[in-house]
Amino acid sequence: NAGVTQTPKFQVLKTGQSMTLQCAQDMNHEYMSWYRQDPGMGLRLIHYSVGAGITDQGEVPNGYNVSRSTTEDFPLRLLSAAPSQTSVYFCASSYSGHVATNEKLFFGSGTQLSVL
Amino acid sequence: KNEVEQSPQNLTAQEGEFITINCSYSVGISALHWLQQHPGGGIVSLFMLSSGKKKHGRLIATINIQEKHSSLHITASHPRDSAVYICAVGGSNYKLTFGKGTLLTVNP
Repeated sequence: NAGVTQTPKFQVLKTGQSMTLQCAQDMNHEYMSWYRQDPGMGLRLIHYSVGAGITDQGEVPNGYNVSRSTTEDFPLRLLSAAPSQTSVYFCASSYSGHVATNEKLFFGSGTQLSVL
Repeated sequence: KNEVEQSPQNLTAQEGEFITINCSYSVGISALHWLQQHPGGGIVSLFMLSSGKKKHGRLIATINIQEKHSSLHITASHPRDSAVYICAVGGSNYKLTFGKGTLLTVNP
């Protein structure tokens, strides 16, 4: 099992460019999520999904788009990148999303994104 | 929203020392997570606990639900334990609130 796979590992964009961060898991997890990690702050939830065709907003969704067409994949799209989106992005999954009660989260290795 | 506070923010220890990292939260929860992040690396779940104590190798996690407090202990610390340790608690289902992390450096 590869677990949670994120690509790319590093990316540099110019302001206004668009890109997609890829996330795939092979554990048959229903729940997938995207976080951003900024210096001096805890991880913040961007968007999450509890199954194919179902997505919802997290704490900081503005400027990001997601879709979930398959159980395995949960891409994060930046439609028009801004310097404020410079951050490290993590994808994470769990069996059904009950992370507040009884499920561990499995994280990808992260994507370091710089927007100039 | 739950407020999660970790202390200390930074911790430097000598190899072999006993280490304690603390996590306090403001609203009652069902479970608390401890995570480990090595420099430039991904994030790994160490523990999830809802009561009492859990042990894995040299790591021990405890939680006091009434006092809204958890501790992560590392016995006989080693330089490979150097990492950021993150505490997270559940809010509504599907969502966690994360602490800012504790940067641990263990010198040989």
